[in-house]
Amino acid sequence: SQTIHQWPATLVQPVGSPLSLECTVEGTSNPNLYWYRQAAGRGLQLLFYSVGIGQISSEVPQNLSASRPQDRQFILSSKKLLLSDSGFYLCAWADRTIGNTIYFGEGSWLTVV
Amino acid sequence: AQKITQTQPGMFVQEKEAVTLDCTYDTSDPSYGLFWYKQPSSGEMIFLIYQGSYDQQNATEGRYSLNFQKARKSANLVISASQLGDSAMYFCAMREGGRGSTLGRLYFGRGTQLTVWP
Repeated sequence: SQTIHQWPATLVQPVGSPLSLECTVEGTSNPNLYWYRQAAGRGLQLLFYSVGIGQISSEVPQNLSASRPQDRQFILSSKKLLLSDSGFYLCAWADRTIGNTIYFGEGSWLTVV
Repeated sequence: AQKITQTQPGMFVQEKEAVTLDCTYDTSDPSYGLFWYKQPSSGEMIFLIYQGSYDQQNATEGRYSLNFQKARKSANLVISASQLGDSAMYFCAMREGGRGSTLGRLYFGRGTQLTVWP
């Protein structure tokens, strides 16, 4: 069966420090991969998605970047965090063949202080 | 305009009763998919049910069913025989482009907090 894991689960970082959130999918190949952010009281905002290694699409301009160094690995990064980057980040994957359902990881709580 | 509207910030239901969570959507794309996700306090997003725009019958998954009214553009989630473990935030979402779309962008509503009491 397919699984998705992201880490770390919680992170407290000072303003101006770098960030790296990692996400790995197992049990499937060539998945579509996504990074979402959830603000309090709101739904999920799509940040980045990827349909293949090295292929990244950005939904909104921001202080973040994403990379896909391997087929089932998706990394969310920042060189210098801002207070406004605080939030709940979710990685997700979708089976390209089926293409209908997106499955989410456990999420990462980021607090920038 | 909002793509997905959930008008109920919070809902309360007694254990073993049924509850309906409302969702309306807005799209001009004839091909789309509708989803419901459950988010417990742990934060994990759990997929519950899916309805395609061309599906003739309402989707069902165990105690979950989706009341799909295409003309009204509504996709309400019905949970039958509520359990204490159903207490969570519930999100309605829509994906335009139909089956096989590689974009996978999902528009989410703001969610409904469901509380099940004994």
